[in-house]
Amino acid sequence: EAGVAQSPRYKIIEKRQSVAFWCNPISGHATLYWYQQILGQGPKLLIQFQNNGVVDDSQLPKDRFSAERLKGVDSTLKIQPAKLEDSAVYLCASSSPSGISYNEQFFGPGTRLTVL
Amino acid sequence: GNSVTQMEGPVTLSEEAFLTINCTYTATGYPSLFWYVQYPGEGLQLLLKATKADDKGSNKGFEATYRKETTSFHLEKGSVQVSDSAVYFCALAGYSTLTFGKGTMLLVSP
Repeated sequence: EAGVAQSPRYKIIEKRQSVAFWCNPISGHATLYWYQQILGQGPKLLIQFQNNGVVDDSQLPKDRFSAERLKGVDSTLKIQPAKLEDSAVYLCASSSPSGISYNEQFFGPGTRLTVL
Repeated sequence: GNSVTQMEGPVTLSEEAFLTINCTYTATGYPSLFWYVQYPGEGLQLLLKATKADDKGSNKGFEATYRKETTSFHLEKGSVQVSDSAVYFCALAGYSTLTFGKGTMLLVSP
């Protein structure tokens, strides 16, 4: 079974530029998550999708971050304009909800963003 | 809200030494508890989990016991290997969202 795919793996941009990250979850997984992992910290949830609907985006900085999952499969996370403090690893994860309790999340390799 | 506190690293050990990485949590209700591992250049992988009090999760020689009375989920391994060098994250889950600790880097030397 293929894992969660992310691209690009690395990206370097200058502040005020825009950038987009792509995620392809495990086939059949209805739930998709985007996390931000700043160096030296644990991942922080940015947004959670259930199919193509947003379940939780309470920690997404909506003035500059946006995410979509139009067909309920792939997802794109965009930052516009980027700030220095956005330098981090952006992780995508997916899970297959059973409606019972917590379901294991499977993580992609992440995209390392450096903002200069 | 939910939070996880784990010991700061790096933890530096020689091969075959005993490992303990402390983790304590604050949560409402009865969360599930996890340890994730992140090897260099790779994504997070679930190492082990426990879903209720007194459960013991185990995998690859690692163990952790869900202690509700001390709100702890310490990770242990009896004999570490160089290949165990990685960053270890303690996490808890309410329903579908994970709350992570800051991570503890483990460095094992031959």
